[in-house]
Amino acid sequence: IAGITQAPTSQILAAGRRMTLRCTQDMRHNAMYWYRQDLGLGLRLIHYSNTAGTTGKGEVPDGYSVSRANTDDFPLTLASAVPSQTSVYFCASSPVEGSGYTFGSGTRLTVV
Amino acid sequence: KQEVTQIPAALSVPEGENLVLNCSFTDSAIYNLQWFRQDPGKGLTSLLLIQSSQREQTSGRLNASLDKSSGRSTLYIAASQPGDSATYLCAVNNNDMRFGAGTRLTVKP
Repeated sequence: IAGITQAPTSQILAAGRRMTLRCTQDMRHNAMYWYRQDLGLGLRLIHYSNTAGTTGKGEVPDGYSVSRANTDDFPLTLASAVPSQTSVYFCASSPVEGSGYTFGSGTRLTVV
Repeated sequence: KQEVTQIPAALSVPEGENLVLNCSFTDSAIYNLQWFRQDPGKGLTSLLLIQSSQREQTSGRLNASLDKSSGRSTLYIAASQPGDSATYLCAVNNNDMRFGAGTRLTVKP
């Protein structure tokens, strides 16, 4: 089934640890995005990539990094996790910039 | 900066009612507007995508309209069912997608 796969589904992480959230799509979409969703704040863009080899900062990029080595994969790394990064993280993709988005099912991350 | 507002924040209706969810945005220079559904603990499911040149889109019992000049969109749900209970999110695409806070809909049997 075509779509976006995120892993892990959920994770409890000790503060200060490094963590990479995985996102893979099989739709050959050019653009990919990482959002976090927090109660009362809605969905906020962390980082994006308009095409393989390029990345950009969204609204809340601090503490996160991304890479886009190929079209299908867009991992999000927390270099040293802090409790304020406790959130639900969603990966999304679109065929081209300005198209509709398809979302993954999310990763629920708790930093303790 | 694009601001997206959804009203009401929550809505409870009896089964069978027709209902309208509202979305407003501040910057009318958009590529498109997308309505999503999110069930508790789940991801976002796309319902309807309206391009900036379109006025409305329909899918089954759902109809979404777009008035760019006034910065408004509505999602109309006909003959609501308990299975429609979810949070509905409006997202507006300029150079990136900005989301409203959502409307939490409960349809009572």
